[in-house]
Amino acid sequence: GGIITQTPKFLIGQEGQKLTLKCQQNFNHDTMYWYRQDSGKGLRLIYYSITENDLQKGDLSEGYDASREKKSSFSLTVTSAQKNEMAVFLCASSTWGGANTGQLYFGEGSKLTVL
Amino acid sequence: QQKVQQSPESLSVPEGGMASLNCTSSDRNFQYFWWYRQHSGEGPKALMSIFSDGDKKEGRFTAHLNKASLHVSLHIRDSQPSDSALYFCAASESNYAQGLTFGLGTRVSVFP
Repeated sequence: GGIITQTPKFLIGQEGQKLTLKCQQNFNHDTMYWYRQDSGKGLRLIYYSITENDLQKGDLSEGYDASREKKSSFSLTVTSAQKNEMAVFLCASSTWGGANTGQLYFGEGSKLTVL
Repeated sequence: QQKVQQSPESLSVPEGGMASLNCTSSDRNFQYFWWYRQHSGEGPKALMSIFSDGDKKEGRFTAHLNKASLHVSLHIRDSQPSDSALYFCAASESNYAQGLTFGLGTRVSVFP
């Protein structure tokens, strides 16, 4: 088995601040994802990366940057935090082909609060 | 418009009872479906995938897919208190990499 580790678990920022979330996986999966979870809005895809140094925009990419410098890690930056913003950011990885094709393995999430 | 719609929003089930969750896609390109479960304070965990018409059973969980109507259901037999969680339906256009589109979820509460 493997694990997805997200840091930090809780992040408090100020309006306009640039904030970075980090994610590490030891599944040796090629593909990694960042989702945002707001109360009552399900999960929305921000960015994904098919392989090292690849970046693909999701439906919610505006206001975010991402970086995949190593196969095992994927970072997400909130470029300018919005006041009263509160959400949970979820990192996931997956492999494609084989018995569990497409199954996403999620971390526990990073909770963002903007004051 | 939400491309993956789930109903009901919430559901209360007696312990030992059957829970039935529904999911409909408005995008005919979606051909691959998953069910995920999220307990409070945790990330979602995959329950099962279903890619072909018909039923798929894994333990107490049975998923049903009707591709013609783009309708997926999940039935939980002999519900346990540990089944109390938020359940998501997720869909994808292809069986490769591009990420899943999630519904808003159904909150299931199992009462003794």
